[in-house]
Amino acid sequence: DAGVIQSPRHEVTEMGQEVTLRCKPISGHNSLFWYRQTMMRGLELLIYFNNNVPIDDSGMPEDRFSAKMPNASFSTLKIQPSEPRDSAVYFCASSFLAGSSYEQYFGPGTRLTVT
Amino acid sequence: AQTVTQSQPEMSVQEAETVTLSCTYDTSENNYYLFWYKQPPSRQMILVIRQEAYKQQNATENRFSVNFQKAAKSFSLKISDSQLGDTAMYFCAFMKQRGGSEKLVFGKGTKLTVNP
Repeated sequence: DAGVIQSPRHEVTEMGQEVTLRCKPISGHNSLFWYRQTMMRGLELLIYFNNNVPIDDSGMPEDRFSAKMPNASFSTLKIQPSEPRDSAVYFCASSFLAGSSYEQYFGPGTRLTVT
Repeated sequence: AQTVTQSQPEMSVQEAETVTLSCTYDTSENNYYLFWYKQPPSRQMILVIRQEAYKQQNATENRFSVNFQKAAKSFSLKISDSQLGDTAMYFCAFMKQRGGSEKLVFGKGTKLTVNP
């Protein structure tokens, strides 16, 4: 399997622009997670989905952030409008809960820089 | 809410020696999982080892082992025969055990440097 795929790997944008991050989970996985990593706050969950349904979005900073999972093989995280404080590495992870299997597998991350 | 604390921001070790990274957590849950993830400079998050709270036996994966003390809420990682490729950030993480998938709660990380 190709693992979790994220695009783009790097994104540089100007304040006020819309940013869309994309994630393709591992085929067959039924849970998808979006995490953000910053120096100040470390790794923190933004939102996660089970079977394409959002379960916990309490980590989404504010209304500027939105996430969708239209099908089992694709998810997006959108920031509109972007601000410099959104600069971070955004990770997507997926997992499949079955028996003793529950590990989350991470994508390579998207490094976002907002100037 | 669960919290995870890694009290050592940075550590260093000589190649071939043994090093132990500390992690404590706070939870009212009885059933949960604990993990150590490695993040090398490539920034890829790599699962190193996992532990189910209901298991008394400490998990081991090759040169990596844990010391899980449930009553003390402690979960340390021991790396034996350290290699240069072990240089990375190490994150301790907690996950509740429920019927469905749950989020990971991470510590702030320990930066480990293995010196030649």
